[in-house]
Amino acid sequence: GAGVSQTPSNKVTEKGKYVELRCDPISGHTALYWYRQSLGQGPEFLIYFQGTGAADDSGLPNDRFFAVRPEGSVSTLKIQRTERGDSAVYLCASSSQRGQNTGELFFGEGSRLTVL
Amino acid sequence: GQQLNQSPQSMFIQEGEDVSMNCTSSSIFNTWLWYKQEPGEGPVLLIALYKAGELTSNGRLTAQFGITRKDSFLNISASIPSDVGIYFCAGGPPQGGSEKLVFGKGTKLTVNP
Repeated sequence: GAGVSQTPSNKVTEKGKYVELRCDPISGHTALYWYRQSLGQGPEFLIYFQGTGAADDSGLPNDRFFAVRPEGSVSTLKIQRTERGDSAVYLCASSSQRGQNTGELFFGEGSRLTVL
Repeated sequence: GQQLNQSPQSMFIQEGEDVSMNCTSSSIFNTWLWYKQEPGEGPVLLIALYKAGELTSNGRLTAQFGITRKDSFLNISASIPSDVGIYFCAGGPPQGGSEKLVFGKGTKLTVNP
């Protein structure tokens, strides 16, 4: 499809396990973003990539969270030693060059993470 | 950190009614955006505002960027059942541009046919 693709759509894991969430942005979009949405809340910024580099990772809650975008397209969000409080929907978004300045983001459907 | 106060938290209206929701902050923003989210989907951009005082329409939707840069409202006229969803305001902070959007908690809209 032409939109942002996220996999898996649902992930159930046990406390302490390692999790990877994948995002495939819209073709040609240079910027990629990860947001986290807890139940009943709005999305919360985690990290933003411009090309291959993390331009701003100030929203990552702690060092258990890490994200990469090695070829400037697909990105993976990695969570180590998961905790129950990590349970949320992880949203990926991408934008064109213009969208970086205007906030016009295209979101995927999200990966729902449940930590038991 | 910066926070957006969005109200009302939820609305129950009849089809055909007009809707108004707003967003306020103690901090200024350079951009204001309104997104809509339906169950199981990611947010979708409805309207973007870039200048203080700007009033913009998109079909039945109208939004304004407050003159103080600390608030915005969204109006929906003649609501229809497909307007159901959660509406989020989002602000682009002055420092660093719009890459780090700050979102409100959302207004959940229910439209009764």
